[in-house]
Amino acid sequence: GAVVSQHPSWVICKSGTSVKIECRSLDFQATTMFWYRQFPKQSLMLMATSNEGSKATYEQGVEKDKFLINHASLTLSTLTVTSAHPEDSSFYICSASGQLADYNEQFFGPGTRLTVL
Amino acid sequence: GDSVTQMEGPVTLSEEAFLTINCTYTATGYPSLFWYVQYPGEGLQLLLKATKADDKGSNKGFEATYRKETTSFHLEKGSVQVSDSAVYFCAGYSGNTPLVFGKGTRLSVIA
Repeated sequence: GAVVSQHPSWVICKSGTSVKIECRSLDFQATTMFWYRQFPKQSLMLMATSNEGSKATYEQGVEKDKFLINHASLTLSTLTVTSAHPEDSSFYICSASGQLADYNEQFFGPGTRLTVL
Repeated sequence: GDSVTQMEGPVTLSEEAFLTINCTYTATGYPSLFWYVQYPGEGLQLLLKATKADDKGSNKGFEATYRKETTSFHLEKGSVQVSDSAVYFCAGYSGNTPLVFGKGTRLSVIA
């Protein structure tokens, strides 16, 4: 099956710094990537949808200047949490869909746990 | 908009017990339906799916049948194991909408 990786798998940073999370589709071209946020013991919340080469579409309530998403190639999307604060601590999961999958069938990365001190 | 309603947990079962986790989907069209599993500290893995009415998805002993009349996709397993302990998410999409997830059901299986 299609494989999606995320890096780093966990990160601890100081308040006020920026953190970049990478999401890669390893064996297929991902025309669309999705970024989710998951709080402890809760479901996934879709943050944004990004299509290769175009600006991301953010869900209501998600600050686009806070969570910068770049989808520069068919295999890589990045999420940058700018000026991170403790309330940004969460589990961030990306997913990708593309030519190997049915439309909108998504393959999920393993997640990145962000802790902001 | 579309929504997914699944049984709230947590669910605690003894090993070899029968499992049912209910899921219903509300949509304007006929959605494709999925069950995902999330093991502790990990991302989501697709467990099974069904893309049209009366389809049965199955994997690792789990089954779910897409019931059109009730738009339900209940997850079942005849005999659970300790290794099945995880959080299970029902999800679906119709048309060009993104995946919509249920709130998740935490399953704990005790030996």
